[in-house]
Amino acid sequence: DSGVTQTPKHLITATGQRVTLRCSPRSGDLSVYWYQQSLDQGLQFLIQYYNGEERAKGNILERFSAQQFPDLHSELNLSSLELGDSALYFCASSGRPIEGTDTQYFGPGTRLTVL
Amino acid sequence: GQQLNQSPQSMFIQEGEDVSMNCTSSSIFNTWLWYKQDPGEGPVLLIALYKAGELTSNGRLTAQFGITRKDSFLNISASIPSDVGIYFCAGVNSGGSNYKLTFGKGTLLTVNP
Repeated sequence: DSGVTQTPKHLITATGQRVTLRCSPRSGDLSVYWYQQSLDQGLQFLIQYYNGEERAKGNILERFSAQQFPDLHSELNLSSLELGDSALYFCASSGRPIEGTDTQYFGPGTRLTVL
Repeated sequence: GQQLNQSPQSMFIQEGEDVSMNCTSSSIFNTWLWYKQDPGEGPVLLIALYKAGELTSNGRLTAQFGITRKDSFLNISASIPSDVGIYFCAGVNSGGSNYKLTFGKGTLLTVNP
């Protein structure tokens, strides 16, 4: 158990809908990262937050957004969903921004299925 | 964008054998990471490499950061059944507010007891 929790574990929805994925980092970790894992694209870094502020952006679509709240939990919002958005979405946390000797701890993931 | 070529895509070996996998890129990275992912779980960081030429071990695992900064390998010695999983390399470029992490496609390792 990494100490990172994600809800829900599974999510099934329809095209055009909007969903919110939630992540609680390990106790004391200030950084949260979101990743998407699909069969064709593999693991892709989406976005990072540090202590409530956006720190870095990866391959995140404009239809997707995220935020980190004062209690450090984070939410990833996916809107206007398309079939191709079906994937595993992982959250990871670490104590500091990923520079130097930082270790990211991954949550169990949310499996999103768009029908 | 940056691409990582990870090979082999899959390996099927006998328990006790040594395993080697690698990642290459046309781009330079300033950090290389190796992760393992078990079915239904998130990736777990195995080894992190921060300097070109660095050789780091973690138990039966050894990884090296290539001298050109464009490649890295991971070796597993004396494999055991619990080594089964998907191994990912990842290259990182970061500096200031810029951060980019690129994953390889993974190596699926199967260990026959």
